[in-house]
Amino acid sequence: DTEVTQTPKHLVMGMTNKKSLKCEQHMGHRAMYWYKQKAKKPPELMFVYSYEKLSINESVPSRFSPECPNSSLLNLHLHALQPEDSALYLCASSQNFEQYFGPGTRLTVT
Amino acid sequence: QKEVEQNSGPLSVPEGAIASLNCTYSDRGSQSFFWYRQYSGKSPELIMSIYSNGDKEDGRFTAQLNKASQYVSLLIRDSQPSDSATYLCAVGRVGGGADGLTFGKGTHLIIQP
Repeated sequence: DTEVTQTPKHLVMGMTNKKSLKCEQHMGHRAMYWYKQKAKKPPELMFVYSYEKLSINESVPSRFSPECPNSSLLNLHLHALQPEDSALYLCASSQNFEQYFGPGTRLTVT
Repeated sequence: QKEVEQNSGPLSVPEGAIASLNCTYSDRGSQSFFWYRQYSGKSPELIMSIYSNGDKEDGRFTAQLNKASQYVSLLIRDSQPSDSATYLCAVGRVGGGADGLTFGKGTHLIIQP
């Protein structure tokens, strides 16, 4: 089973809102990732957590704040986003090299 | 700067033929190579991984890796209309959460019935 779940599926938020994206995996994977994908572009890495510790932050603006409460959960807290932040936000997990993606959250910032 | 290059297409292939997708990468330290399939509006789905030079076959899919030429390819035999999608080549240096993947821009494949 290589299932990664993400909630919500869709999110519309205003520029002054605070919201959170959630990701969960029950495969015992040691690493979890956030990627951002704009339309007709490839996924771009945002954050990597390894053993619940942030190991990579790809110079992402502070209006995106990741959190890893435990080895199965990954959150992405959103605050004061801009319309250009509208995208598909993908969570992935891996034990070693192979990364498995969740279905994504399609975010629209108005 | 890690770069992964793919021809964006569209690549149009008749049903039943072999589809050939290519990818080159710039980082010689890359150790892991993947092909993901992405349908419109969906998330990427891992279809092949390859780590050493040569060919790796899985059903109708064959991945080929040549580290000296920094080249990865994917062959899809007996192409079906359901294979129509964007195919993303992805490359990594190390695993286990020490690195993310760098993706190419993807090749849009169309299988013509």
